[in-house]
Amino acid sequence: DADVTQTPRNRITKTGKRIMLECSQTKGHDRMYWYRQDPGLGLQLIYYSFDVKDINKGEISDGYSVSRQAQAKFSLSLESAIPNQTALYFCATSDPGQGGETQYFGPGTRLLVL
Amino acid sequence: GNSVTQMEGPVTLSEEAFLTINCTYTATGYPSLFWYVQYPGEGLQLLLKATKADDKGSNKGFEATYRKETTSFHLEKGSVQVSDSAVYFCALDAGGTSYGKLTFGQGTILTVHP
Repeated sequence: DADVTQTPRNRITKTGKRIMLECSQTKGHDRMYWYRQDPGLGLQLIYYSFDVKDINKGEISDGYSVSRQAQAKFSLSLESAIPNQTALYFCATSDPGQGGETQYFGPGTRLLVL
Repeated sequence: GNSVTQMEGPVTLSEEAFLTINCTYTATGYPSLFWYVQYPGEGLQLLLKATKADDKGSNKGFEATYRKETTSFHLEKGSVQVSDSAVYFCALDAGGTSYGKLTFGQGTILTVHP
């Protein structure tokens, strides 16, 4: 079984709809992240959480919100989806270390906003 | 701010050819540097990393050396295989108040032909 899972894997929605992307992990990591990937732009950090009570904005948080329901679960919401939020979304986890900690990524959710 | 610049792709090679993907960075302090690989339809996974100057990361025949004097972390492989076809991302963790947050380059698509 995968250590980091994301649901749904694919989603088509309409402009103005609220949607939620979910991420679960079995790695026991405290740190979780949400990224979006656009062609030619690499990955951009949306939100991150270093523990259940800690939520922080990343580079591109406008139009998004998150919820850390438990150590293992971190959800991303688009309150009112717009077409330029069409992208591939990745969740990741990591464990704090001495530096150079590895992030572990889920398989991604492909979102299309019409 | 922190940034990572990768050579533009896509890169197309024949099997057994030599691979270099250039990566340069801008960061304050002493970042940790990473190469992540994304195979088709999958999330990113760590390929190799280096946490201090002159360190060499290596894995699966790939190598990269942390060069502080040239702020570079170029990825190399002596003989590529068809199975190496993927998207390669260079990334840094700047540490300090940015510790745990990755800054990614735009990604380089590699296609290897038999």
